[in-house]
Amino acid sequence: DTAVSQTPKYLVTQMGNDKSIKCEQNLGHDTMYWYKQDSKKFLKIMFSYNNKELIINETVPNRFSPKSPDKAHLNLHINSLELGDSAVYFCASSQDLTSQETQYFGPGTRLLVL
Amino acid sequence: GNSVTQMEGPVTLSEEAFLTINCTYTATGYPSLFWYVQYPGEGLQLLLKATKADDKGSNKGFEATYRKETTSFHLEKGSVQVSDSAVYFCALRGDGGTSYGKLTFGQGTILTVHP
Repeated sequence: DTAVSQTPKYLVTQMGNDKSIKCEQNLGHDTMYWYKQDSKKFLKIMFSYNNKELIINETVPNRFSPKSPDKAHLNLHINSLELGDSAVYFCASSQDLTSQETQYFGPGTRLLVL
Repeated sequence: GNSVTQMEGPVTLSEEAFLTINCTYTATGYPSLFWYVQYPGEGLQLLLKATKADDKGSNKGFEATYRKETTSFHLEKGSVQVSDSAVYFCALRGDGGTSYGKLTFGQGTILTVHP
């Protein structure tokens, strides 16, 4: 019954590795997002997809590549992980980009790069 | 571009104290304003929202009024409980242009309530 789910919940890995985080929403929403929250709780948007199409792409290293196989899924692949990538990554969704409805957040994926 | 500034924390209160967390914003047009809460170890949850000037959002005893003249959306609660301990984020959602649909968050305010 979880509206927005993410896997894994925790991810510990070595520098230089490649990893993926998966996100799925069962709300029937058209728009999905990835956010990064740093150790000081500062939250910043990374990407937004609407109906599988990239809409928002903030200044993010190109080591980060989102992929949306369908509008219910938005996965985040990270190449050549660096220490500074350690953070909590949140997936979110909203009905669509044009409505005033709010975004629903997943529980977060806690990434630690050693 | 859009920006949100929250009062710096952490904020520590005793149970039943009055809470105010200040939030001011910079945005063009008519953004929607939100307060989100993040409980320990969890994702963000919408606490309340206001979509136009003078609207008051309220939920679980928390209130915030959209003040366009002062570009503010301060969060208040008359009597906090230990269970209100969390991180609170003020956010705005742009109504057009390059910020359309994008949530811009404040830096978050950590609230700790002691018995």
